[in-house]
Amino acid sequence: GAGVSQSPRYKVAKRGQDVALRCDPISGHVSLFWYQQALGQGPEFLTYFQNEAQLDKSGLPSDRFFAERPEGSVSTLKIQRTQQEDSAVYLCASSPLAGGGADTQYFGPGTRLTVL
Amino acid sequence: AQSVTQLDSQVPVFEEAPVELRCNYSSSVSVYLFWYVQYPNQGLQLLLKYLSGSTLVESINGFEAEFNKSQTSFHLRKPSVHISDTAEYFCAVRKYTGRRALTFGSGTRLQVQP
Repeated sequence: GAGVSQSPRYKVAKRGQDVALRCDPISGHVSLFWYQQALGQGPEFLTYFQNEAQLDKSGLPSDRFFAERPEGSVSTLKIQRTQQEDSAVYLCASSPLAGGGADTQYFGPGTRLTVL
Repeated sequence: AQSVTQLDSQVPVFEEAPVELRCNYSSSVSVYLFWYVQYPNQGLQLLLKYLSGSTLVESINGFEAEFNKSQTSFHLRKPSVHISDTAEYFCAVRKYTGRRALTFGSGTRLQVQP
């Protein structure tokens, strides 16, 4: 079946612009995660949704970052007034269950954001 | 809080040679352990995971990892690598309960040479 998809795959923004990154999780998956992967680093957690509820946003680096999942399926990560340090690959992952740390997370291909 | 250390940023190896990618973790609570692989221009894929039971876990493509609680390690090994194993490998941990996010290491680039 279809995996996690993300769009756009590449985004170039001028400093100060707002951007919106979309994630389509695997159908029926309850949990959805956003991670940020800087060049040469491992992914770092941003935020977590269980259905439409945002249960953990402890990784969001500033109040310029905002995520939503209004109907418990598609999610959007929005970055306002982008800065050069926001340049990174933004990864979305979904998992089928709501409870249990053993649940496997399935990752999308990521959106590479470059802020000029 | 948890942390993951992958000491080797790059590991060059010749085809058909054995390889070990090292992973050490730090956590005050019990964790699950994962290895993810990222092939060029592709997303992260789960390679294998340790949940409980036998400390040796295997993947379908010949990789294995052994959980060593006393040394807090989860090293990844393969007895004979192929060119197609060239990729970035990430070790990750996750708490049994509570916060469900994965904590990743910084990755090890495995470069298999002919």
